[in-house]
Amino acid sequence: DAGVIQSPRHEVTEMGQEVTLRCKPISGHDYLFWYRQTMMRGLELLIYFNNNVPIDDSGMPEDRFSAKMPNASFSTLKIQPSEPRDSAVYFCASSSGGSAGYTFGSGTRLTVV
Amino acid sequence: SQKIEQNSEALNIQEGKTATLTCNYTNYSPAYLQWYRQDPGRGPVFLLLIRENEKEKRKERLKVTFDTTLKQSLFHITASQPADSATYLCALTMDSSYKLIFGSGTRLLVRP
Repeated sequence: DAGVIQSPRHEVTEMGQEVTLRCKPISGHDYLFWYRQTMMRGLELLIYFNNNVPIDDSGMPEDRFSAKMPNASFSTLKIQPSEPRDSAVYFCASSSGGSAGYTFGSGTRLTVV
Repeated sequence: SQKIEQNSEALNIQEGKTATLTCNYTNYSPAYLQWYRQDPGRGPVFLLLIRENEKEKRKERLKVTFDTTLKQSLFHITASQPADSATYLCALTMDSSYKLIFGSGTRLLVRP
């Protein structure tokens, strides 16, 4: 298995633009998570899905952020409009649940200028 | 408020020694506690999971202890090597939810 695949690896965009981050989880994993990592706040859970259904989105900062999982092999995190304070590394992770650990992707480094 | 605390100062040790990292938490009743390793520019990598009813878990040179009375986990790397240099993150899962909440991590530096 190729692991959790995220794209793009790097994204630089101007303030006010729409940004879409993509994730392909490990096949057979029922759980998918989106995290954001910054030096100041560490790793923050934004939202997670179970069997493609959003279970907890309490970490989504505000209405500018939205996430979808249209099928078991694909998820997107969208920011519209983007702001400089959204600059961070965004990680996607998947898990088979129970006492299994999470498998993280390599992350998308987002810079909003 | 709920907190997961890890030493923010880097731990600097000599190769061959045992590294011990600490994770303390308050106002949580975790079902599981996990440890991850993160290298610069990479995502966290799962190392070990320990359940609330387990005291200790081992995997090769790694050992994790979990004391729910003290609300503390210790993570040990024996016979440390320079390749063990990384940031180590502890994370908690509550029984009522499957989401994983991370501490801020401790950087480990192993000198040759």
